[in-house]
Amino acid sequence: EAAVTQSPRNKVTVTGGNVTLSCRQTNSHNYMYWYRQDTGHGLRLIHYSYGAGNLQIGDVPDGYKATRTTQEDFFLLLELASPSQTSLYFCASGDRCAETLYFGSGTRLTVL
Amino acid sequence: GDSVTQTEGQVTVSESKSLIINCTYSTTSIAYPNLFWYVRYPGEGLQLLLKVITAGQKGSSRGFEATYNKETTSFHLQKASVQESDSAVYYCALGEANTGANTGKLTFGHGTILRVHP
Repeated sequence: EAAVTQSPRNKVTVTGGNVTLSCRQTNSHNYMYWYRQDTGHGLRLIHYSYGAGNLQIGDVPDGYKATRTTQEDFFLLLELASPSQTSLYFCASGDRCAETLYFGSGTRLTVL
Repeated sequence: GDSVTQTEGQVTVSESKSLIINCTYSTTSIAYPNLFWYVRYPGEGLQLLLKVITAGQKGSSRGFEATYNKETTSFHLQKASVQESDSAVYYCALGEANTGANTGKLTFGHGTILRVHP
């Protein structure tokens, strides 16, 4: 069974704060993704990666950095958090064919 | 660009009744897209419900089914008899076919909240 683990489950920070969201997958998948989910929007892709050290820009990258340190670990960084980044964040991994994604349970981030 | 439209934000159905959740798609970059339905149960991440990669084919899982209709660019989700345990958020999504060089990027609809009451 595919496994993607996100931490923390919930995070509250203030405007201008520094936040790191973590994601680890144990599927030996090459592809990893960060999405955000907001009411009235579908999941929107922030950044993704093909492998350790690789980073690709998604559809809504502004205000976010990401880093893929190993095949297993993918981090999303908000260096100056803003209230507009209050959202539910999902990490996912995909295999070589990248046709099916496996998602974590999500991190709910609130920026006050 | 690519887009996926789910017209219903929320659907409420009585247990044992039938269900349809509408999904239409548009793409200017993918000739033969793959189509997916993902489901998110409370407190969990999204999980694949079903996918269809060939136009004209039907996918099915857990009593749900959806047919890939290229003529109407639709991929509606149906179930003949829903159960309370089907209460969840359902997302229609579009992705690239496997070319050996695909990115795995998916374009999602807004999601439809399904509430099934006893």
